[in-house]
Amino acid sequence: AQSVTQPDIHITVSEGASLELRCNYSYGATPYLFWYVQSPGQGLQLLLKYFSGDTLVQGIKGFEAEFKRSQSSFNLRKPSVHWSDAAEYFCAVGAAAAGNKLTFGGGTRVLVKP
Amino acid sequence: KAGVTQTPRYLIKTRGQQVTLSCSPISGHRSVSWYQQTPGQGLQFLFEYFSETQRNKGNFPGRFSGRQFSNSRSEMNVSTLELGDSALYLCASSQSTGGNTEAFFGQGTRLTVV
Repeated sequence: AQSVTQPDIHITVSEGASLELRCNYSYGATPYLFWYVQSPGQGLQLLLKYFSGDTLVQGIKGFEAEFKRSQSSFNLRKPSVHWSDAAEYFCAVGAAAAGNKLTFGGGTRVLVKP
Repeated sequence: KAGVTQTPRYLIKTRGQQVTLSCSPISGHRSVSWYQQTPGQGLQFLFEYFSETQRNKGNFPGRFSGRQFSNSRSEMNVSTLELGDSALYLCASSQSTGGNTEAFFGQGTRLTVV
């Protein structure tokens, strides 16, 4: 069975500082990996995805993530955070055998200090 | 292009009642998945429908059911509501099934059971 762990429940970062959100997954085969962002009371917006190929993927809003198979990780990064990046971030894993079922991590809430 | 539309946005029901939630996917998308989001359990997969067939089902009791129509619109039904069913219910649409496809989420239906 698939599982996803986001070790950090909350992260506070100063505006302009860099951000890294951690994600570890458990899955026997090559997973499909996703990062989503959710603003309060809203649905989820896809930031980026990894299916295969280049392990460093670029997404929207200046985010990037790196797939490291040896560490079962898919960490999300942004070089310089803007106040509008304050939200909850979810890492998710999917698999070909599971159709479009996504297994989500518990989420990391990001607070941005001025 | 219109996004995923979920109706209603908010709903208050009494224990023991039943409720039906609706999801209209993006035009041309044939897969619809449903998720339940609660503070305690996070985001959990309910089921996926593709071309009117249930492709996958999460670990929820039989009180939770769904269906998909020929125009890809989907409904989910919860019978004999319990207080614990209070949650944000999110619908996601995708062009195809198989996992390596982007899921677009609606804004959700906030269900409160009193």
